[in-house]
Amino acid sequence: EVQLVESGGGLVKPGGSLRLSCAASGFTFTTYSMNWVRQTPGKGLEWVSSISTTSDYIYYADSVKGRFTISRDNAKNSLYLQMNSLRAEDTAVYYCARGHPVDYWGQGTLVTVSS
Amino acid sequence: DSQMTQSPSTLSASVGDRVTITCRASQSITNWLAWYQQKAGEAPKLLIYKASTLETGVPSRFSGSGSGTEFSLTISSLQPDDSATYYCQQYNSYPWTFGQGTRVEIK
Repeated sequence: EVQLVESGGGLVKPGGSLRLSCAASGFTFTTYSMNWVRQTPGKGLEWVSSISTTSDYIYYADSVKGRFTISRDNAKNSLYLQMNSLRAEDTAVYYCARGHPVDYWGQGTLVTVSS
Repeated sequence: DSQMTQSPSTLSASVGDRVTITCRASQSITNWLAWYQQKAGEAPKLLIYKASTLETGVPSRFSGSGSGTEFSLTISSLQPDDSATYYCQQYNSYPWTFGQGTRVEIK
């Protein structure tokens, strides 16, 4: 069974940092590109970032470029999102998502940016 | 960037009705379009990819069509379990973009 389990969310002040992690299991992690997608409470979905199987290709939404860094550790079957210079508008549920297009989603981790 | 516009934003229909949601792209995305279903408090679920290919395990009452800039998702006979919000998403090019969602309510 495919499982994607996010962790690392929480409350952070504007300008602060957080690192999200996603533990993957139930499939061959090295054969899938991976993504982060976020959803503002009560609102729609916004793609954040994608990374290829060997990290050769990385893409970011303009809204996070220069502040967020996606990475993966294929030996640990894990995906990460380092989030710096956080803003109130980054408040959202962050989903780890597999594939191109996305065929599996984690349950999400809530990031709240507030003073 | 390819902007995705869904309509309607809300739809109310009865069990057994045929319902259609449309999604328009601001530029051609060929057939690189996915449809997702999201129920309250849950993560989205993939229903259809490549505009018309049904994901494994998804009921056959769901179907997708279209290419270029005009797409649609049809539920042939609405069921109570279909109450959810539906999103289209283009993956033709980065940045990936989603429609704003269509909330389907059962009368």
